[in-house]
Amino acid sequence: DIVMTQSPDSLAVSLGERATINCKSSQSVLSKSNNKDYLAWHQHKPGQPPKLLISWGSTRESGVPDRFTGSGSGTDFTLTISSLQAEDVAVYYCQQHYGAPITFGGGTKVEI
Amino acid sequence: EVQLVESGGGLVQPGGSLRLSCAVSGFTFTSYWMHWVRQAPGKGLEWVANINQDVSEQYYMDSVKGRFTISRDNAKNSLFLQMNSLRVDDTAVYYCVRGEGFIANYWGKGALVTVSS
Repeated sequence: DIVMTQSPDSLAVSLGERATINCKSSQSVLSKSNNKDYLAWHQHKPGQPPKLLISWGSTRESGVPDRFTGSGSGTDFTLTISSLQAEDVAVYYCQQHYGAPITFGGGTKVEI
Repeated sequence: EVQLVESGGGLVQPGGSLRLSCAVSGFTFTSYWMHWVRQAPGKGLEWVANINQDVSEQYYMDSVKGRFTISRDNAKNSLFLQMNSLRVDDTAVYYCVRGEGFIANYWGKGALVTVSS
C-alpha cells in the first residue's frame, strides 16, 4: 500500500499570508506511461462534506480559487494557499489515485 | 445539480449488520466509478471500497475484506454497502463518493454508523 504522510499536522496563518502543506508518498505516484502525477488534494470544512480542490498533482477543479496551487512530482507534493482567507479554514488531505487501495494523508488543519 | 444522498446509517451492536444506500442524481451514473470513504470520530479520511461502472471490478481496504460488500444498481442510480460482522472500530461517518477513476471528485453529506453495545 502507498502510505501518504502529511506535514505539518496543523498550522496557524494570518489572514492574507501564505499557507504551505506538504505531502509525501511512500512510493512514486508518477506514471511513466503518461507522465502524470496521481495526486489529489481535498478540503474538508466543519459540518460539510470534503471537496476536491486539485487532481493530477496540479490541476485545479472548476471554481477553485487560483490562490490554491498544487505542485511537486514523484513522491513529494505541496499545496500552497497564497493568501489565506477566512473561508479557507479547514482540514486539507492529500490522496493518491494511483491505485488500490486508495490512501489519504492524515490531514493538515489550517487555522487563522 | 450533482447529488449523492446516503441513507441506512444508525446504531448497531457489535457483530451486527447494516446496509448503506446512496441515491445519486444530476450526472450519468454509469459513467463513473463509485467509492465509499469513512471518517471515524476525530480521525482522518479512510477509503473503504470502490466499484467500477460495469461491476467487473471491486476493491476493498484490508480490514473490511470478507465483511463488507459494495454493489450498485445502474438501473436505479444507486450505490450500496452491505456491512456484516460490524466492529466498534467501524464507527464512522460513511461518505458516498463519485469517482473519476480513483479520483474522489464529488462527495455526499455522509451517513453516521455507530457500532456499540
